[in-house]
Amino acid sequence: AQSVTQLDSQVPVFEEAPVELRCNYSSSVSVYLFWYVQYPNQGLQLLLKYLSGSTLVKGINGFEAEFNKSQTSFHLRKPSVHISDTAEYFCAVRTMNRDDKIIFGKGTRLHILP
Amino acid sequence: GAGVSQTPSNKVTEKGKYVELRCDPISGHTALYWYRQSLGQGPEFLIYFQGTGAADDSGLPNDRFFAVRPEGSVSTLKIQRTERGDSAVYLCASSGTRTDTQYFGPGTRLTVL
Repeated sequence: AQSVTQLDSQVPVFEEAPVELRCNYSSSVSVYLFWYVQYPNQGLQLLLKYLSGSTLVKGINGFEAEFNKSQTSFHLRKPSVHISDTAEYFCAVRTMNRDDKIIFGKGTRLHILP
Repeated sequence: GAGVSQTPSNKVTEKGKYVELRCDPISGHTALYWYRQSLGQGPEFLIYFQGTGAADDSGLPNDRFFAVRPEGSVSTLKIQRTERGDSAVYLCASSGTRTDTQYFGPGTRLTVL
């Protein structure tokens, strides 16, 4: 079975400052890794995904994440946040069976301070 | 539209009633998933369809929950004898056979009074 731990339920950060949202996963098999974003009153949107290859993955809106197999981590980063980045961010895993279900973390609420 | 759609967007019902939630996947997507997101939690898997058949229903919490996808496109999640604990946002997602990405709909917010 797979599990995902997002270590921070809330992260406050000043506008234009850098941010890192932490994610660790547990799995006995190889997995694909995802970050989804949920803006207020909107559905889940894929930010980025790691399937294979380069461990540094770039996504939409200036976000990137780095897969670290030895530490079983997939932390999300952005060098300079905007007020529009206010949202809930979910880390997720799925086994390499293409059609398998996604296992989500509990989410991290990013709160941008003016 | 080209995305996953869900109806209704909001549903308020009384304890003990029956509800149906509908999902229209992206055209041509053969895989369809239902998730439930409770307040302050991440989405939790309920059931997955490949075509018309339920390939994995291990996430359904009990036999009050049932889902169908009779023609391999639209799916309906059915909840019998609703309980207050069923209150949540029910999310639907779909994916194509040649993609690894699940695309999510906006969800149905179910409130059981």
